[in-house]
Amino acid sequence: GESVGLHLPTLSVQEGDNSIINCAYSNSASDYFIWYKQESGKGPQFIIDIRSNMDKRQGQRVTVLLNKTVKHLSLQIAATQPGDSAVYFCAETSWTQFYFGTGTSLTVIP
Amino acid sequence: GAGVSQSPRYKVAKRGQDVALRCDPISGHVSLFWYQQALGQGPEFLTYFQNEAQLDKSGLPSDRFFAERPEGSVSTLKIQRTQQEDSAVYLCASSQWTGGNEQFFGPGTRLTVL
Repeated sequence: GESVGLHLPTLSVQEGDNSIINCAYSNSASDYFIWYKQESGKGPQFIIDIRSNMDKRQGQRVTVLLNKTVKHLSLQIAATQPGDSAVYFCAETSWTQFYFGTGTSLTVIP
Repeated sequence: GAGVSQSPRYKVAKRGQDVALRCDPISGHVSLFWYQQALGQGPEFLTYFQNEAQLDKSGLPSDRFFAERPEGSVSTLKIQRTQQEDSAVYLCASSQWTGGNEQFFGPGTRLTVL
């Protein structure tokens, strides 16, 4: 199958700082990418998505950047808050199969 | 309902037992997905339904795994003769349309096989 990997398995940031979580994907045919947040004991929660015809998309405090040339995806969280502490997954899909990375554990230090 | 629900939330089975995991998707959602999530890993795709049709089951790890969605709404994932390696969280997700678009996940069923 396809692989989606994250560069950093863990990330600790000070409250109020910006966080950047990176992801590499391998299938150049993937045309839709999603970032999910997963808290302990819960299912993944949608954060933001981006289609392959875009290179940047912004939401509330979050921005996703897509670099198709190097098959790289990043999630930027502005003014990180304690409630942002969770595991973050990127996922890629070309139609019906979604491939998830291993995840990055984000810890926000008060 | 307001979201995707799954039952039971926790299931303990003895090796060799059969189990059935239920998923209630968001009403009206066309697509339904099952994933297996091992501890510390990302979800891994198992199977996909579009209404009642199982269009992709390439992720099912063995013929002991079977999924159905007979009326295009509720889905059941059945695992026969459970093995210890089947221990994982089984996640269900639904999306409004077909193909690549936002999926809404349930809380998962944590299966422990002793």
